[in-house]
Amino acid sequence: DGGITQSPKYLFRKEGQNVTLSCEQNLNHDAMYWYRQDPGQGLRLIYYSQIVNDFQKGDIAEGYSVSREKKESFPLTVTSAQKNPTAFYLCASSTQGANGELFFGEGSRLTVL
Amino acid sequence: AQRVTQPEKLLSVFKGAPVELKCNYSYSGSPELFWYVQYSRQRLQLLLRHISRESIKGFTADLNKGETSFHLKKPFAQEEDSAMYYCALSGISGYSTLTFGKGTMLLVSP
Repeated sequence: DGGITQSPKYLFRKEGQNVTLSCEQNLNHDAMYWYRQDPGQGLRLIYYSQIVNDFQKGDIAEGYSVSREKKESFPLTVTSAQKNPTAFYLCASSTQGANGELFFGEGSRLTVL
Repeated sequence: AQRVTQPEKLLSVFKGAPVELKCNYSYSGSPELFWYVQYSRQRLQLLLRHISRESIKGFTADLNKGETSFHLKKPFAQEEDSAMYYCALSGISGYSTLTFGKGTMLLVSP
């Protein structure tokens, strides 16, 4: 079953804790992305990676970190430095020269208590 | 800076009525524009892209560079069209670093 898998679907954390969201794809896509989705805000790009061992900051990277050690995996860490981490996080992937077609995961909802 | 504006948070129409979801953009280069859709309990997915000039599920969208718009249209709305629609603009860095609008919720009533 091909696609993008995000885990966990729901996550709760206490203030001051780091948390890592998993994103795995078996589509053999080169590029992977993390977006944050807030009500009334649309999707905002956090980080993206075009190739293994390389990644770039998006529009709202502060308080987040990523790694891309394998083509299939692009985990996102929400650090304690992120001032408003409660949100819905979407991971996506695309082929090289995809002309805008992103394949999205089902998302992870993080709630900070 | 590039920006995508969707002025309507919610658009409510009756089945069979025409639909137009508005999208305006700000971009200094040659834009690539897209519409994404998220149906209830489904993943966000690409609906159509302007370079394809295609009609998907009866929806069309024409890029108007003079008005910097990319409105999504359908002549006769169906209940199954109810969803969240996002307009998106491709970034200058290549690949698909899209800038999304805030989205418009389309509700089609019977």
